[in-house]
Amino acid sequence: NAGVTQTPKFRVLKTGQSMTLLCAQDMNHEYMYWYRQDPGMGLRLIHYSVGEGTTAKGEVPDGYNVSRLKKQNFLLGLESAAPSQTSVYFCASSGDFFGTDTQYFGPGTRLTVL
Amino acid sequence: DQQVKQNSPSLSVQEGRISILNCDYTNSMFDYFLWYKKYPAEGPTFLISISSIKDKNEDGRFTVFLNKSAKHLSLHIVPSQPGDSAVYFCAARESADSWGKFQFGAGTQVVVTP
Repeated sequence: NAGVTQTPKFRVLKTGQSMTLLCAQDMNHEYMYWYRQDPGMGLRLIHYSVGEGTTAKGEVPDGYNVSRLKKQNFLLGLESAAPSQTSVYFCASSGDFFGTDTQYFGPGTRLTVL
Repeated sequence: DQQVKQNSPSLSVQEGRISILNCDYTNSMFDYFLWYKKYPAEGPTFLISISSIKDKNEDGRFTVFLNKSAKHLSLHIVPSQPGDSAVYFCAARESADSWGKFQFGAGTQVVVTP
């Protein structure tokens, strides 16, 4: 049981390049999230998904797209990377929004955009 | 505008003493609160939670206190151990909000010294 995994762990991009971050969970969770963490800002929600085939915007969605084609995977895409997207990206999943379940986080992806 | 604030970016405490971490929030509709712990190069992991119907929740060495009138919660770690050295995030949500999205504080770095 690996929990939540993220690929890749590190990436350096040039401005304007594109990339996709992959998140996978093996807990059969319905809900998945993408956050970014910046110094002094805490974790901010980018996009989230409440089930296979559904996605929704979070607090800071601009410049990102997501897809949830399979229940266990949640992809975060950057179509044209900008230096402002330099950050650590965390994926999380949870089984129950309205109960006491918590979110389980992956180890993070450190992205640098030059 | 950050709705959850952790005003102390760092805290140093001696092993065996009490660590007190503070968190303030501005949204009076928040009714569920969590503390997460994060080690370097890892994702945050759930530590303890509290619902707004309680003012205290205890789990071993960790106790969370909630003061709704002051919109303030705190995490007490007694006694502090070297393994407690980590970044601690508080998070809050409004259960009536669709999909229960959490707002995170910026984190407090705790260093436990021998």
